[in-house]
Amino acid sequence: DAGVIQSPRHEVTEMGQEVTLRCKPISGHDYLFWYRQTMMRGLELLIYFNNNVPIDDSGMPEDRFSAKMPNASFSTLKIQPSEPRDSAVYFCASSLRGEWEKLFFGSGTQLSVL
Amino acid sequence: SQKIEQNSEALNIQEGKTATLTCNYTNYSPAYLQWYRQDPGRGPVFLLLIRENEKEKRKERLKVTFDTTLKQSLFHITASQPADSATYLCALGGGADGLTFGKGTHLIIQP
Repeated sequence: DAGVIQSPRHEVTEMGQEVTLRCKPISGHDYLFWYRQTMMRGLELLIYFNNNVPIDDSGMPEDRFSAKMPNASFSTLKIQPSEPRDSAVYFCASSLRGEWEKLFFGSGTQLSVL
Repeated sequence: SQKIEQNSEALNIQEGKTATLTCNYTNYSPAYLQWYRQDPGRGPVFLLLIRENEKEKRKERLKVTFDTTLKQSLFHITASQPADSATYLCALGGGADGLTFGKGTHLIIQP
């Protein structure tokens, strides 16, 4: 398996623009997680899905952030409008039912909002 | 609020020695604790999981201990190698907030 695949690897945008991050989980995994990592705050859970259904989005910073999982093999995290404080590395992770504590992470998207 | 503390300063260890990393937590009663390794520009990679009723877990050169009274986990790498240099994250789970990560400790193994 290719592992969790995220795109793009790097994204540079201007404040106010819409940003869409993409994730393909490992095939067969039932859980999908979106995390954000910064030096100041470390890894923070934004939202997670179980069988494509959002379970907990309490970590989503504000209404500018939204996430969808239209099917078992694809998820998006959208920021609209983006702000400089959104600059961070965004990780997607997936896990398997029965072993949901063990997360498999993608390589992340480095987002820079100017 | 829940707090996880890992040594923010880099840990320098000579090759061949045992590296010991510490994870302390407060205001939390985790059902399990995990350790991940993260290399620059990469996502964290799962290493070990230890449950609240387990004292110690081993995997090859890795050993993890979990003391729920002290609210502390120790992560040991024996016979350390330069390839072990990375950032190591601990994570607590089993609560309503899912998996909560510490900020990590940067380990440097010097040849």
